Amino acid sequence: GAGVSQSPSNKVTEKGKDVELRCDPISGHTALYWYRQRLGQGLEFLIYFQGNSAPDKSGLPSDRFSAERTGESVSTLTIQRTQQEDSAVYLCASSPYKAQPQHFGDGTRLSIL
Amino acid sequence: QQQVKQSPQSLIVQKGGISIINCAYENTAFDYFPWYQQFPGKGPALLIAIRPDVSEKKEGRFTISFNKSAKQFSLHIMDSQPGDSATYFCAASLGGKLIFGQGTELSVKP
Repeated sequence: GAGVSQSPSNKVTEKGKDVELRCDPISGHTALYWYRQRLGQGLEFLIYFQGNSAPDKSGLPSDRFSAERTGESVSTLTIQRTQQEDSAVYLCASSPYKAQPQHFGDGTRLSIL
Repeated sequence: QQQVKQSPQSLIVQKGGISIINCAYENTAFDYFPWYQQFPGKGPALLIAIRPDVSEKKEGRFTISFNKSAKQFSLHIMDSQPGDSATYFCAASLGGKLIFGQGTELSVKP
């Protein structure tokens, strides 16, 4: 497909477990972003990758959160030792080099029991 | 200073009416202001966007009005339709990342 693809679409896990969320950006898009959307709220910026530059991690809420990106392709967001407050929809977006607009995937709905 | 404040939180409009959603910001370094539309279970989709050197942009039934001196911008949806019922988010760009408003849930009644 031509859009941003995220997997899994839903993830249910127990408190304390680690989770990995995957994002496949639009082909050719060098910028990739992760956002978190809590129920009924706006999107919160988490992290931003731009090509080979150091990522902007300023939005990561704690050291339990980390993300990696392989070149200009797939990105993985990892949450270690999950807590109930981590329950949210995690959205990924991509855009052309240093340009808007950002195109979003449909997100991963994460539920922590 | 990096907040974007959006109002109202919810809005009910009759079919054919005008929907108006407002946003305000503080940081004058913001350089791009998009509006996104989100349906339940889906990611946000770009609706329309504006840069701060333009005071108004229109695309079909959707218009952004931008007031740089007041640090406010708004979305107008003309001839609102039931299919427009969704959550709308304003946002502002800073160094590439987007800062989002809290969202407006729009319901258009037939």
